[in-house]
Amino acid sequence: SAVISQKPSRDICQRGTSLTIQCQVDSQVTMMFWYRQQPGQSLTLIATANQGSEATYESGFVIDKFPISRPNLTFSTLTVSNMSPEDSSIYLCSVETAPGEQYFGPGTRLTVT
Amino acid sequence: AQSVSQHNHHVILSEAASLELGCNYSYGGTVNLFWYVQYPGQHLQLLLKYFSGDPLVKGIKGFEAEFIKSKFSFNLRKPSVQWSDTAEYFCAVRLNRDDKIIFGKGTRLHILP
Repeated sequence: SAVISQKPSRDICQRGTSLTIQCQVDSQVTMMFWYRQQPGQSLTLIATANQGSEATYESGFVIDKFPISRPNLTFSTLTVSNMSPEDSSIYLCSVETAPGEQYFGPGTRLTVT
Repeated sequence: AQSVSQHNHHVILSEAASLELGCNYSYGGTVNLFWYVQYPGQHLQLLLKYFSGDPLVKGIKGFEAEFIKSKFSFNLRKPSVQWSDTAEYFCAVRLNRDDKIIFGKGTRLHILP
């Protein structure tokens, strides 16, 4: 198992600004994932972040908009850049400790005004 | 594109009623299947998973799910629900050849005491 914390838990931001979300895991993991969960929608994978390599982005998500850092095996950040109201969502990080077993953080609830 | 469909968006049951939540996926190859649950105010957590073998999988808290390959289904069941089962349930699929997990839109289950 893994215990994951995220900061901030929620934020209200103005259009055009950026927010960096932090994800901390209590153990070393190779694979970390960033998801977005919009109201009434399923979880959508933004990118996979492996330590020591560039993040792999899913279709519809680009590095300029969602830059990710993965400096070590227990930490990652996701930045939501140049925000618009459409970016209002819950952002979740998760880690995979065994094939197919993902543990999720509590999420960051972002509101863009 | 691969997808996961959960037919019931919102289910309301009385305590002791039987539960079945539907889940279908669209992919003809080998898959790993999951049900995740998110209790109010808590993290998303793994309820049960199917990789191979016995298609009837038992998870935590008395839940089980049956993989029916011919129907591309992985329905979640519980013979007698409790008020504490009130939560949102997500079906998810991972293609055997891939790392990412595709989630359904979720089913909100509300149990009346």
